[in-house]
Amino acid sequence: DPKIIQKPKYLVAVTGSEKILICEQYLGHNAMYWYRQSAKKPLEFMFSYSYQKLMDNQTASSRFQPQSSKKNHLDLQITALKPDDSATYFCASSQSGGYAEQFFGPGTRLTVL
Amino acid sequence: GQQVQQSPASLVLQEGENAELQCNFSTSLNSMQWFYQRPGGSLVSLFYNPSGTKQSGRLTSTTVIKERRSSLHISSSQTTDSGTYLCAMERGANTGKLTFGHGTILRVHP
Repeated sequence: DPKIIQKPKYLVAVTGSEKILICEQYLGHNAMYWYRQSAKKPLEFMFSYSYQKLMDNQTASSRFQPQSSKKNHLDLQITALKPDDSATYFCASSQSGGYAEQFFGPGTRLTVL
Repeated sequence: GQQVQQSPASLVLQEGENAELQCNFSTSLNSMQWFYQRPGGSLVSLFYNPSGTKQSGRLTSTTVIKERRSSLHISSSQTTDSGTYLCAMERGANTGKLTFGHGTILRVHP
C-alpha cells in the first residue's frame, strides 16, 4: 500500500485558474514538505511543516499556499496559475523536521496551458 | 553557484560493471541523502547518510562530512539500475530543507 498519497497524478489547468494538490502520508511522520521539479532544473524545496506549523518557506510567490487540515495532510493551493508553474510537485515527509530521512510521494504533474 | 555538484552527469555501463557516483557540497552541511528517481518520476530513498559508510545490497554510500563529499558505489550493475541518482544535503536551520544536485543519469546495457 502506498504510504504517501498524492492526488491527482496528472493535472491540466488553464492560465489564471486555481488548483489544489493533495498530499496524505500514512507513515506516522510529524513533518511534511513540498518540492517542485521543473524541466532541466534540480528539485527545489518549497515548504516545510512540522506538527502542522510552517517551518520554512522558500517560495517567492504568495500564490502558493500550503494547507494542513490534519497532521498527516499537507495540501498545496496554487492560485492565478501561470505556464511557468508547470512542473511535477512532490510531497515528502519525515519523522521529524530536520536531521531525518525524507520519503517522497509519487508526485503530481501539473501542466498550465 | 551550485551548492550540490554531482558527477558524472551521465554514465553508461555494461551489465556487471561497477559505478562510482560523486556528490560534492560547496558549503558545510548537517546531513545528506541519496535518492533514485525512476523513469516516470517517483523518488526512492537509498541512503540517509550524515557520515560514514552504509551498505544495502549492491549499493554502498560513503559520506565524509568534513570534506563535504559523498559517494555512491554500485557494484555488479544490472539493467534495472538504470535511472537518475540524486544527492541532496541539509544544512543550516533545522527545517528539513533539502538542496538537490542535478543528478547522474545511469544507463546499464545488457
